[in-house]
Amino acid sequence: NAGVTQTPKFRVLKTGQSMTLLCAQDMNHEYMYWYRQDPGMGLRLIHYSVGEGTTAKGEVPDGYNVSRLKKQNFLLGLESAAPSQTSVYFCASTLAGGPYEQYFGPGTRLTVT
Amino acid sequence: TQLLEQSPQFLSIQEGENLTVYCNSSSVFSSLQWYRQEPGEGPVLLVTVVTGGEVKKLKRLTFQFGDARKDSSLHITAAQPGDTGLYLCAGAAGMEDSGNTPLVFGKGTRLSVIA
Repeated sequence: NAGVTQTPKFRVLKTGQSMTLLCAQDMNHEYMYWYRQDPGMGLRLIHYSVGEGTTAKGEVPDGYNVSRLKKQNFLLGLESAAPSQTSVYFCASTLAGGPYEQYFGPGTRLTVT
Repeated sequence: TQLLEQSPQFLSIQEGENLTVYCNSSSVFSSLQWYRQEPGEGPVLLVTVVTGGEVKKLKRLTFQFGDARKDSSLHITAAQPGDTGLYLCAGAAGMEDSGNTPLVFGKGTRLSVIA
């Protein structure tokens, strides 16, 4: 099992450009999450999904959109990147029903200039 | 809003010393997890505690869940350089919740063990 994978690993964008981050998991997990991690801020939840076709906003959703068309994939989109979105992005997944132990991907380091 | 406060924020110790990291909240959690994150990688689950007062051991690491399920501690005995990393605690919502509420993460304790 590959677990949780993320592509790409690194990306540099210019302000105003768009991109999509892909997260894939092969553990048949129902729940998937997107976080950003910034120095001193910890992990902050952007959006999450409790099943195929359903998404919900987390703590910091502005400027991001997500889609969960297939159970194993969770996409994070930036429509018009801003320097404030420079961060490390992590995807995670977990089984429904508790205790919600999360399995994280290796992260995507995004720089917006 | 549920919050988890971790202390200390930073800790630098010599190899062989003991240390304790704390995770506190005013909210009740149905379970609490500890993760370790190394530079350039995602967090990796160390342990989950579910029952109030529960103690779990993982080699030199001892985890305890408070009796009231509002706090937890991580104790490392005879720390080694390989223990260096960011330690995160995360709580799942109380029993009365639907279960769809995402985990609440603390901001982490950054541990450096010097050889």
